[in-house]
Amino acid sequence: AQTVTQSQPEMSVQEAETVTLSCTYDTSESDYYLFWYKQPPSRQMILVIRQEAYKQQNATENRFSVNFQKAAKSFSLKISDSQLGDAAMYFCAYRSLNYGGSQGNLIFGKGTKLSVKP
Amino acid sequence: DAGVTQSPTHLIKTRGQHVTLRCSPISGHKSVSWYQQVLGQGPQFIFQYYEKEERGRGNFPDRFSARQFPNYSSELNVNALLLGDSALYLCASSPLRGIAHEQYFGPGTRLTVT
Repeated sequence: AQTVTQSQPEMSVQEAETVTLSCTYDTSESDYYLFWYKQPPSRQMILVIRQEAYKQQNATENRFSVNFQKAAKSFSLKISDSQLGDAAMYFCAYRSLNYGGSQGNLIFGKGTKLSVKP
Repeated sequence: DAGVTQSPTHLIKTRGQHVTLRCSPISGHKSVSWYQQVLGQGPQFIFQYYEKEERGRGNFPDRFSARQFPNYSSELNVNALLLGDSALYLCASSPLRGIAHEQYFGPGTRLTVT
């Protein structure tokens, strides 16, 4: 079974600075998707960025980028020019390409709470 | 376009009672998934429904059941509530069942069991 581990329960960053959130995962599969989701106090889970495992190029979305190290099974999220609105829980998630059973749905880590200081 | 909607927003129930949570997917989305998020944890997969059929089930007891209606809305039912069922229940919809299709989450229903 796949597992996702986020080893940083809480992180803090100064506004306009850069912060990196860590995520490692365990799988025996060669093809899969990885995601970072943001969950603000409003509770709505919002997709931040997605990475396909077969793509070597790291995904980027504006101020958000990932460092995907497939051999190391590592998937970190870098937030540049941090803004007050970035404060939230951030979840790393894995999604198998298999459709059967519970596969094909998201496996989440425990999350990292990010605080942004003005 | 309206996003995924869930009702009710909050719910308080007593141990042993039954609860029904509701989810309306984004228009045109045929797949609905349910997740349970216990305080301080990441969401855990409960069910996926696609075209009104159960397509996936997580590691939850038979007290949990769900169904999807012809309009693709869905209900999650939990019988014989336990204190440990207190959680945020999230619904997510996607246009198709395929892996490449994103899951769009609703705001969740906060269930408190006393």
